[in-house]
Amino acid sequence: QQQVKQSPQSLIVQKGGISIINCAYENTAFDYFPWYQQFPGKGPALLIAIRPDVSEKKEGRFTISFNKSAKQFSLHIMDSQPGDSATYFCAARGVGDMRFGAGTRLTVKP
Amino acid sequence: EAGVAQSPRYKIIEKRQSVAFWCNPISGHATLYWYQQILGQGPKLLIQFQNNGVVDDSQLPKDRFSAERLKGVDSTLKIQPAKLEDSAVYLCASSQGTASYGYTFGSGTRLTVV
Repeated sequence: QQQVKQSPQSLIVQKGGISIINCAYENTAFDYFPWYQQFPGKGPALLIAIRPDVSEKKEGRFTISFNKSAKQFSLHIMDSQPGDSATYFCAARGVGDMRFGAGTRLTVKP
Repeated sequence: EAGVAQSPRYKIIEKRQSVAFWCNPISGHATLYWYQQILGQGPKLLIQFQNNGVVDDSQLPKDRFSAERLKGVDSTLKIQPAKLEDSAVYLCASSQGTASYGYTFGSGTRLTVV
């Protein structure tokens, strides 16, 4: 079922650094690309999302970069903080359900 | 706004036993989803309801899994009989409609089959 490939599987960043997580998709019918943040014992929570007619979207320290021709999108977390330590999932939705990447476990060291 | 409620939070059962999970979506959300999240993987859709009708159950192992959403509000997901590979977190999510892109997830039920 996996139609969204996410990398890296895990990421360790120093406090204040930039965290970058990448995703690639196959289905050109996808028209909504969200990122979810999940803390242990909690369900995924929507962090930021983008539609393919926009190449970049920024909300605070979080930025999505979208490359429609390459069918790739990425999440950038600027000034990463220990509180950002969580698992991040990219996802893609078209007609039907949301397809999720396998997740990236981010650890931000103080 | 109250979130998506799920119960129980944790469940441990032996293989071949049955188990049921309950979900109460956000009030007014017509669409309800059940996802299975195996450790180290992203959520995978099991079934999607629009009100009390099934929209998509193509990934539901129907020989052992069943789900219902009577009256278009609460939903239950049942596994009978459970297998070891069913150990996972079962997440419920809801949205205003099938065309709505905003999903809200519950905290999930962690199932361990021994």
